[in-house]
Formats: sequence, structure tokens, C-alpha cells
Amino acid sequence: EVQLLESGGGLVQPGGSLRLSCAASGFTFSNYAMTWVRQAPGKGLEWVSGISVSGGSTYNADSVKGRFTISRDNSKNTLSLQMNSLRAEDTAVYYCAKPGVSGSYNPAPFYWGQGTPVTVSS
Amino acid sequence: NFMLTQPHSVSESPGKTVTLSCTGIGGSIASNYVQWYQQRPGSAPTTVIYEDNQRPSGVPDRFSGSIDRSSNSASLIISGLRTEDEAVYYCQSSDSGNRGVFGGGTKLTVL
Repeated sequence: EVQLLESGGGLVQPGGSLRLSCAASGFTFSNYAMTWVRQAPGKGLEWVSGISVSGGSTYNADSVKGRFTISRDNSKNTLSLQMNSLRAEDTAVYYCAKPGVSGSYNPAPFYWGQGTPVTVSS
Repeated sequence: NFMLTQPHSVSESPGKTVTLSCTGIGGSIASNYVQWYQQRPGSAPTTVIYEDNQRPSGVPDRFSGSIDRSSNSASLIISGLRTEDEAVYYCQSSDSGNRGVFGGGTKLTVL
């Protein structure tokens, strides 16, 4: 059974940093691209970042470019999102997601974690 | 930039068929696969359609997806509506830069 368990969310001040993690199990992590998707309170889904199977290619939404960095450790089956220069508008639940098919890169979520909340406020 | 637009809300009666639309703006809807997600209040999204018209195991065949190149839109069709289908539905595809794009979501009310 595919399991994606996010952690690392919490309250952070504007301008601060936070590192989210996603522990993956139930599938061969190194065979799948991965993505982060977020959802602000009462709002829709927003695609944030994607990473290829090797980690050599990353993609970011314009709203987080230069501030967020997606990475992965295939030896530990872990996906990460380093978030710097956080703003109030980054407040959201952050979901880790896996595509349905293996391959070098696929930005389409299929399986979703339960999410970890991030609040940026003073 | 490629965007996806969805109607904000749709209402229909139990047992009826509803079609939720997703229109591509600034690019062809057929350039990349479209996915559809269902999200109930307080829960993470789940996939109901992937690769335009494929249904994950466990999703009832009341759910189907299609692409219309002439209108540059994708559709999620739900037949035999049930109260448990009440949720927000999001379409998703990709832009030319390999980044994901979501529509704004359609709140489906079954009453």
C-alpha cells in the first residue's frame, strides 16, 4: 500500500524558513517523480514543485521560484521541500504526491499524502 | 501561461447526470493529459480520472472523463449522482514548462 507521510509543518514568522519532509513507503521510491501541492485555507489546489526520479531536474511554480527548493534522498525514500523567505501567502496545507506511473518525470499527482499545515504569521 | 478554468459551482439532483467542465486558456488542452480529483471537506484529494479518461481501481464506472479539442476543454461526467458525490472537483494538467496546473475547482452540490 502506498503511503506518503508529510511532516515538518508548523508556525513560522514572515521571512523565516521551514523544511518539510515526506516519508514514502509501499512502492519503489526511486522509480517515481514526486511533487508538492499546497492548499491555502478555503482556497483551491496549487501545484508547487516537482522533481525527477534522479533529482537532477526540478520545477517550481512562479510563486515560489527562488524561495523554495525541492529535493529527494532515494536511499532514505524521502522527499523534502526547503522553504525560505516565507510570506503570509505561503500559509497552506502542503501535500506530498506521487504520480500513477513510473518514469523520469511526471507532474501529475495520483496518490496524495494527508498533508502538513504551514502557518506564516507574526 | 497555460491556465485551466472551471465553473465555481454546479448543482444537480440525485440519480441525474452532471458534466463538469475544465477549459484550457493559453494552450491546447490536448497537449498533456488531464486528471480529475475529488476533495471532500477536511480530506486530502483523491484521483477519480487520470490520463484524460482512465479510472483508478475502486472508482465507480459512474465517473468518466473526456477531451473536446474543438472547445479546448475536458469534462468529468458523473452519472447516477449520489449524495456522497458531493465534493469539490479539480482538473489538472501541465504547462509547456513541465509544471503542474490546477483549475480553480467546482463545488458539486447534490440535492
